[in-house]
Amino acid sequence: EAGVTQFPSHSVIEKGQTVTLRCDPISGHDNLYWYRRVMGKEIKFLLHFVKESKQDESGMPNNRFLAERTGGTYSTLKVQPAELEDSGVYFCASSQDLADGGEKLFFGSGTQLSVL
Amino acid sequence: GNSVTQMEGPVTLSEEAFLTINCTYTATGYPSLFWYVQYPGEGLQLLLKATKADDKGSNKGFEATYRKETTSFHLEKGSVQVSDSAVYFCALTGSGGSYIPTFGRGTSLIVHP
Repeated sequence: EAGVTQFPSHSVIEKGQTVTLRCDPISGHDNLYWYRRVMGKEIKFLLHFVKESKQDESGMPNNRFLAERTGGTYSTLKVQPAELEDSGVYFCASSQDLADGGEKLFFGSGTQLSVL
Repeated sequence: GNSVTQMEGPVTLSEEAFLTINCTYTATGYPSLFWYVQYPGEGLQLLLKATKADDKGSNKGFEATYRKETTSFHLEKGSVQVSDSAVYFCALTGSGGSYIPTFGRGTSLIVHP
């Protein structure tokens, strides 16, 4: 069974450009989460999808970030325009049931985003 | 709100040394506590968990005990190996009805032969 996959693994862009990150969750997992880790700091929650619906987007930093999950399968996270402080590692995770919480949460290996 | 505080790294040890990585938390109610590990080039994976006070989670020689009186969940291993080199994240869920994990900043462990 394939795990959570993220693409690209690394992205280097200039300030003001647009970047789109993609996450393919484990097949059948309704819950999909985006997290971000700025270097040396906590892994911060960004948002949570249940199927194609945004269940909780309280962690999205501002309106330069747009997340979608069309059809309830893969998800994209677009940053437009990117700023220097957006640099960090963006993690995607999925779980089958909401109540799985931390116990049955599967993570991708992350996308390292560098904004220069 | 919920928060998790971990000791700053990196922690650098020789093989077979004793490991402690400190973790304390702030939360309402009775959260579940977790340690995740991220090996180089991989995603986070669950290492161990404890769901109530005085529970001890253990896996792969690692242990952590849920201490409600000190709001701590320190990670320990008696004899580390080079293959244990990774970043370790402490996390909690279930506080205030939320199942979404709150993570600490992570602690990098480097084990030398």
